[in-house]
Amino acid sequence: DADVTQTPRNRITKTGKRIMLECSQTKGHDRMYWYRQDPGLGLRLIYYSFDVKDINKGEISDGYSVSRQAQAKFSLSLESAIPNQTALYFCATSDLTSGNTGELFFGEGSRLTVL
Amino acid sequence: AQSVTQLGSHVSVSEGALVLLRCNYSSSVPPYLFWYVQYPNQGLQLLLKYTSAATLVKGINGFEAEFKKSETSFHLTKPSAHMSDAAEYFCAVAGTASKLTFGTGTRLQVTL
Repeated sequence: DADVTQTPRNRITKTGKRIMLECSQTKGHDRMYWYRQDPGLGLRLIYYSFDVKDINKGEISDGYSVSRQAQAKFSLSLESAIPNQTALYFCATSDLTSGNTGELFFGEGSRLTVL
Repeated sequence: AQSVTQLGSHVSVSEGALVLLRCNYSSSVPPYLFWYVQYPNQGLQLLLKYTSAATLVKGINGFEAEFKKSETSFHLTKPSAHMSDAAEYFCAVAGTASKLTFGTGTRLQVTL
């Protein structure tokens, strides 16, 4: 089983719908991240969390919210999806050791299409 | 603030030829630098990382990268390309609070 699991892997939805992407990890890491990948733009940070009580905005947080339900769970919500949120979304984790050097461990991605 | 620039969104090489993927960084502090690889329909996995130890870093699958402070570069190389190397490669720099800033990626095509 994957250490970082994202659900759903693929989702098609309509404009205005609420969407939640979920991430769970078995690595025991404190730090969790949500990135978005768009062709030609690389990966951009949406939100990150260093522990259950810590939530921080990344560079493109507008239109998104997150919840850190437990050390192992970090979900990303789109309250009212719009077409330009169509992208591949990645959850990632790091621990204090690897976090000091920045190494991230990624899930397999959630492909979201907003019509 | 930290940033990375990857020159060339697409690189094509013949099987057996040298692979060279370019990355230049900008950082206000001594950087930690990374190369990640993304195979089709998969997440990113770490190829190698520079953490201020040796400037020549060896990674998995025969890849290596050299940190050159004077050139602010961290280019990725492999002496002989294999078909299985076809993927997208991302350079990244670690900034404050252990946040990675990624480049825009280079798609490597390997032809027979």
